[in-house]
Amino acid sequence: QKEVEQDPGPLSVPEGAIVSLNCTYSNSAFQYFMWYRQYSRKGPELLMYTYSSGNKEDGRFTAQVDKSSKYISLFIRDSQPSDSATYLCAMRETNAGKSTFGDGTTLTVKP
Amino acid sequence: GAGVSQSPSNKVTEKGKDVELRCDPISGHTALYWYRQRLGQGLEFLIYFQGNSAPDKSGLPSDRFSAERTGESVSTLTIQRTQQEDSAVYLCASSPQGGSGNTIYFGEGSWLTVV
Repeated sequence: QKEVEQDPGPLSVPEGAIVSLNCTYSNSAFQYFMWYRQYSRKGPELLMYTYSSGNKEDGRFTAQVDKSSKYISLFIRDSQPSDSATYLCAMRETNAGKSTFGDGTTLTVKP
Repeated sequence: GAGVSQSPSNKVTEKGKDVELRCDPISGHTALYWYRQRLGQGLEFLIYFQGNSAPDKSGLPSDRFSAERTGESVSTLTIQRTQQEDSAVYLCASSPQGGSGNTIYFGEGSWLTVV
């Protein structure tokens, strides 16, 4: 069983929809939770990171972490065609260099 | 340049040959990471360098894989006697410091195909 499991998708939504992307994990030592966006044939870019439990909002993006359930989510409001990409969740222990990634969810937002 | 630079961007090699992949991190970044990404999959940790500390090599899949870093600068990932299952994108990243919540910046990857 993988340490990080990500809803596989793919997801296809109309422009303006609310998108929910989710990951579960098994390692209770994870303290840093990240979401990356990856366009085709590009390296991942960090969208948001959260330390421990709670919510974090940045524009149209909201990240939620529920450590009691070992469950994290990324919500995208008012989705745009430019949001079409693969979204990867990642997690890391405190003072660790290694991040553990989910397999990614490919999102397509149709105009 | 301002970002993480990787070379070659694409490499096709014959099974059994050795390959070297190069990474130039962002200037001043003390931490450097190598990850592997197979088609349609997430990133698989390979190795992590932080300053003068011993590297974390726990992700290297076999003794055919090795990596070096010169000070806080260039890193080279070497794959000896390549196999078809080594075909993947090899991503390098750097950050100002290791651990904690520092943002990690990825390069665009070296796309390796073993035929």
